[in-house]
Amino acid sequence: QKEVEQDPGPLSVPEGAIVSLNCTYSNSAFQYFMWYRQYSRKGPELLMYTYSSGNKEDGRFTAQVDKSSKYISLFIRDSQPSDSATYLCAMSFTGNQFYFGTGTSLTVIP
Amino acid sequence: GAVVSQHPSRVICKSGTSVKIECRSLDFQATTMFWYRQFPKQSLMLMATSNEGSKATYEQGVEKDKFLINHASLTLSTLTVTSAHPEDSSFYICSARAGGFGEYGYTFGSGTRLTVV
Repeated sequence: QKEVEQDPGPLSVPEGAIVSLNCTYSNSAFQYFMWYRQYSRKGPELLMYTYSSGNKEDGRFTAQVDKSSKYISLFIRDSQPSDSATYLCAMSFTGNQFYFGTGTSLTVIP
Repeated sequence: GAVVSQHPSRVICKSGTSVKIECRSLDFQATTMFWYRQFPKQSLMLMATSNEGSKATYEQGVEKDKFLINHASLTLSTLTVTSAHPEDSSFYICSARAGGFGEYGYTFGSGTRLTVV
């Protein structure tokens, strides 16, 4: 069993839709949770980070962590074509070594 | 702030030759940098942790004699793929952490697309 599971998609939505991206994990010791966005042939860029449980909002993006269910989510409101990318979840025990999901490919159609 | 520069962005080399990839933290010092490998439609796989002034720590299954890592300064780590073979063709990405966790998290370089022919 992989440490982190993420549906690779692809996911295609119309512009303005709310997008929900999810990851599940198996190890309850994970404490740090991050979401990265990766455009084609580029390195990932940090979108959101969360320590332990709870929600965090930044503009159109909301990250949720449910440690009881070992489930994290990223919501994108009012999605834009520029949001089209691959979204990677990542988590860590100590904030050093990270375990990544396979990434979900998202396309926002104008 | 927290910019990681990776060079080259793309390299094509012949089988049997060696290729060096550089990873620089431009506006911060990084005692630790990380090297990842990413195959198409797959996740980033940590290859090794690069520590300034000491030997790198390699993940299980990664050949340290093939993937040589040198972290000679607080702003530069290099990955050398020695005696490259076509199966080494991949996207290599470095990352480093700037400051305390959370402020920037881990900043990634833009990646190096290695093609071995």
